[in-house]
Amino acid sequence: DTAVSQTPKYLVTQMGNDKSIKCEQNLGHDTMYWYKQDSKKFLKIMFSYNNKELIINETVPNRFSPKSPDKAHLNLHINSLELGDSAVYFCASSQVQNTDTQYFGPGTRLTVL
Amino acid sequence: KQEVTQIPAALSVPEGENLVLNCSFTDSAIYNLQWFRQDPGKGLTSLLLIQSSQREQTSGRLNASLDKSSGRSTLYIAASQPGDSATYLCAPRWGGKLIFGQGTELSVKP
Repeated sequence: DTAVSQTPKYLVTQMGNDKSIKCEQNLGHDTMYWYKQDSKKFLKIMFSYNNKELIINETVPNRFSPKSPDKAHLNLHINSLELGDSAVYFCASSQVQNTDTQYFGPGTRLTVL
Repeated sequence: KQEVTQIPAALSVPEGENLVLNCSFTDSAIYNLQWFRQDPGKGLTSLLLIQSSQREQTSGRLNASLDKSSGRSTLYIAASQPGDSATYLCAPRWGGKLIFGQGTELSVKP
């Protein structure tokens, strides 16, 4: 069984479009995260939710809007896509925010043309 | 500013060698430090988590040490195998955030 899953795995779209990436975890964790890995493989946190509440928002353009309908799901909606948004987006989860291991999903490779 | 540096950026060794990957970080006020492995085109796999009160953690052929006061962690891999080839990422946690280093790309030749 997949612990942290993301859909889609690949996403190719035109500039200016709006797209969503979905994440689900079946580990019963309370905290979920979105990370962005750029073309230089640098991985940086974007958002963190704990029990559906936003707790970390790292200077991300407001075109990016996370939504957590319940503890097991954290979706990422991106408006007005730009070339610079091309990256791999990873979802992760952990049981406790500060102390526990984070488990990562397989990633969604977004390409903006 | 909280920053993480990993040295070397890339490493190529023959199979069977023992090796050490280095990680240094600014700001010693970390909650813990996690080592990950990333295979090409894949997600991250957690290898070891060391809490700030611990000095080391071991899992199989892997041993991670932490010297919080000097801002350093090392990942020791014993008897390396071709299957160990991957990028290894160090990530200290400050508050709720993991801050990642750039990684060490390891290649183990048969």
